Amino acid sequence: DIQLTQSPSFLSASVGDRVTITCRASQGISSYLAWYQQKPGKAPKLLIYAASTLQSGVPSRFSGSGSGTEFTLTISSLQPEDFATYYCQQLNSYPQVTFGGGTKVEIK
Amino acid sequence: EVQLVESGGGLVQPGGSLRLSCAASGFTFSSYEMNWVRQAPGKGLEWVSYISSSGSTIYYADSVKGRFTISRDNAKNSLYLQMNSLRAEDTAVYYCARVSRSDTAMVNFDYWGQGTLVTVSS
Repeated sequence: DIQLTQSPSFLSASVGDRVTITCRASQGISSYLAWYQQKPGKAPKLLIYAASTLQSGVPSRFSGSGSGTEFTLTISSLQPEDFATYYCQQLNSYPQVTFGGGTKVEIK
Repeated sequence: EVQLVESGGGLVQPGGSLRLSCAASGFTFSSYEMNWVRQAPGKGLEWVSYISSSGSTIYYADSVKGRFTISRDNAKNSLYLQMNSLRAEDTAVYYCARVSRSDTAMVNFDYWGQGTLVTVSS
């Protein structure tokens, strides 16, 4: 099974900060990676797929990069509505996908 | 508007059974692959099961294989998860999720239901 390791697992940041979350895969997964945002009590929301393609309707302050085993999600200027938990997902072994452990972004 | 609405969750004793449903609307359900994903309280996301658009291809996570059965009724625009021999570790919110394929064939889970809570406890 392909394991995904997200770091950090928790980060504290202020509105306006640039935030970067890393997702490392246990083996190469090309660009078969997606990022999701989840707020408490809500379903995950797709932000980015194919490592760097922004889902329709998602603000451009979100961006993704990487390929192979290392990927990043960047929020260029953190907004109040961005405080949430973020998950990466590998789809290289689709349909048997796996998710990272999550990164909780909280207000400093 | 795409909508996925899960139902059927509740409290069940260990060893018991439960059947979850996911009602789809706002899209041509029979054209889309579907998945179940779960989230234990305070934990991360775990993929549970996949079914192809026709229902002919099915996959399960090792943690539920032999106990859970995924199915769909395209005439009723509905997805199901029959859960038998439930264990305490199956306690979670269960989400149904639609699969989308981009024009470059990249896959993602583009729409999710609101989830239904399954609690396995005596």
